[in-house]
Amino acid sequence: DAKTTQPNSMESNEEEPVHLPCNHSTISGTDYIHWYRQLPSQGPEYVIHGLTSNVNNRMASLAIAEDRKSSTLILHRATLRDAAVYYCIRELTGGGNKLTFGTGTQLKVEL
Amino acid sequence: NAGVTQTPKFQVLKTGQSMTLQCAQDMNHNSMYWYRQDPGMGLRLIYYSASEGTTDKGEVPNGYNVSRLNKREFSLRLESAAPSQTSVYFCASSNAWLGEKLFFGSGTQLSVL
Repeated sequence: DAKTTQPNSMESNEEEPVHLPCNHSTISGTDYIHWYRQLPSQGPEYVIHGLTSNVNNRMASLAIAEDRKSSTLILHRATLRDAAVYYCIRELTGGGNKLTFGTGTQLKVEL
Repeated sequence: NAGVTQTPKFQVLKTGQSMTLQCAQDMNHNSMYWYRQDPGMGLRLIYYSASEGTTDKGEVPNGYNVSRLNKREFSLRLESAAPSQTSVYFCASSNAWLGEKLFFGSGTQLSVL
């Protein structure tokens, strides 16, 4: 079962950091954690992914717990353009890059 | 750089009609995917093609057929459309190695009346 658990929705104020949590308690040692986001009326967009250690890119940071059973996507300074559905996805080893999307977290950003 | 291009963007069909959704990518990716997204839901994998000449079923393949025409193009066909197939369809591509990222098209909004 590749299921991950995320809150249905979160709110943030503009210019403040946002921490989006994800639980993946059944993860295997070689499964990757991906984060994608989907803006209204658009296709999903890659945000970040990682395996064991924390990862940073221009969009966000990914903090993976030491036991790998959970992770947190960090948006350092939320903007109105970051309002989207954020999906935390566990990529199964040997899965051929087939990603299973849950319902994600709807992030609302307010002025 | 176009990325993943889907056509058409919108389509309305009557029950029983057939149609083909087209997808093309210009990133020389080996793998391509078709997903559907129903209102308020996440994406579900319909079919995928790990490489040119191969196709495999995903989570919800019933009522669909696919063709991997060449490395660039991957089409999705509805032979006899049903109202339950009303959805937004997304095509994606990747190199399919573990940890690779997917690139998505902008979607096709399909309504079956």
